[in-house]
Amino acid sequence: NAGVMQNPRHLVRRRGQEARLRCSPMKGHSHVYWYRQLPEEGLKFMVYLQKENIIDESGMPKERFSAEFPKEGPSILRIQQVVRGDSAAYFCASSPRRTASGNTIYFGEGSWLTVV
Amino acid sequence: KNEVEQSPQNLTAQEGEFITINCSYSVGISALHWLQQHPGGGIVSLFMLSSGKKKHGRLIATINIQEKHSSLHITASHPRDSAVYICAVRGGGADGLTFGKGTHLIIQP
Repeated sequence: NAGVMQNPRHLVRRRGQEARLRCSPMKGHSHVYWYRQLPEEGLKFMVYLQKENIIDESGMPKERFSAEFPKEGPSILRIQQVVRGDSAAYFCASSPRRTASGNTIYFGEGSWLTVV
Repeated sequence: KNEVEQSPQNLTAQEGEFITINCSYSVGISALHWLQQHPGGGIVSLFMLSSGKKKHGRLIATINIQEKHSSLHITASHPRDSAVYICAVRGGGADGLTFGKGTHLIIQP
């Protein structure tokens, strides 16, 4: 049973380009969470999605960031017109049911974005 | 908003020592997670607690809901335990986790 799969593991983008990070949850998991870890800072919640729906995006920056979790395929975190401050590790996590109901959560290996 | 404080921030110990990492939070929670992160690596969930104590191998996690405090203990520490240990809490009804800044643990041979 494969774990949470993220790709790419490492991504380098020039300022102004777009970054797309993908997350395939564990088999049978329909709840996906994205977290960001800035250098020398702790992890921060970004967005929670359930298949085809954004449930909570209270941690998403208001501009340039978007997330989706289509019916088929992985969840995608998209960052448009990247800036140096977007350089961070982006972690995806999944759970079989809503974590607020007391279910555990499984993390991926992370995607490290570097903006040059 | 929940504030999560971990101590110590950095810890270096000798192989075999008993290790304790502490976590305090400010607002009532529905669950607390202890996570492990190796440098440049992914995050592994060690424990999820809502009360009492859990044990897995050489790792023990406890939580005191009234005092809003949790501890992670490592017995007979080993260099492979060297990692960042992160405490994360989930407030009642909320889905996103709030994280501490982590404890950088180094176990020297």
